[in-house]
Amino acid sequence: EVQLVESGGGLVKPGGSLRLSCAASGFTFSSYSMNWVRQAPGKGLEWVSSISSSSSYIYYADSVKGRFTISRDNAKNSLYLQMNSLRAEDTAVYYCARDRELAPLDYWGQGTLVTVSS
Amino acid sequence: EIVLTQSPGTLSLSPGERATLSCRASQSVSSSYLAWYQQKPGQAPRLLIYGASSRATGIPDRFSGSGSGTDFTLTISRLEPEDFAVYYCQQYGSSPRGTFGGGTKVEIK
Repeated sequence: EVQLVESGGGLVKPGGSLRLSCAASGFTFSSYSMNWVRQAPGKGLEWVSSISSSSSYIYYADSVKGRFTISRDNAKNSLYLQMNSLRAEDTAVYYCARDRELAPLDYWGQGTLVTVSS
Repeated sequence: EIVLTQSPGTLSLSPGERATLSCRASQSVSSSYLAWYQQKPGQAPRLLIYGASSRATGIPDRFSGSGSGTDFTLTISRLEPEDFAVYYCQQYGSSPRGTFGGGTKVEIK
């Protein structure tokens, strides 16, 4: 069974940093691209970042470029999101989700809540 | 950047009725790389439709997708109580990857 489990969320002050993790199991992690998608309270879905299976290709939404860094460790079946210079508008539930090239996000984790507030 | 506009924002229907949700793209979506997701409160989104019209594994056949180019539709033929949720479309054929529409809420009338 495919499982994606996020962790690392919490309350952080504006300007602070947080590192999210996503533990994958039930599939060949190294064969899939991985993504972070977020959802602000009461709002819609916003794609944040993607990383290809071998980390060769990395993409960011303009809203997080220069502040967030996506990475992965295929040996540990894990995906990460390092979030720096956090702002109130980064407050959201962060989901990890897998896909393949030109394919939809077919499995999602349950999400981890990040709250940026003083 | 492709912008996806979903309409209506909210659809108020009764169980057993037909739901028709629209997703319009600002430019043509490559090879119908258009997906639909369902999200219930407190849950992660679930993939319903990909390639504009193919149902994902385990999705009931009352859900169907259609369209191409810039206009896409998700139809729920007869609403079941568990279908009341928010639905999002997403294009995955061009950068930035994973552009989502703003969502349509299907609520009980």
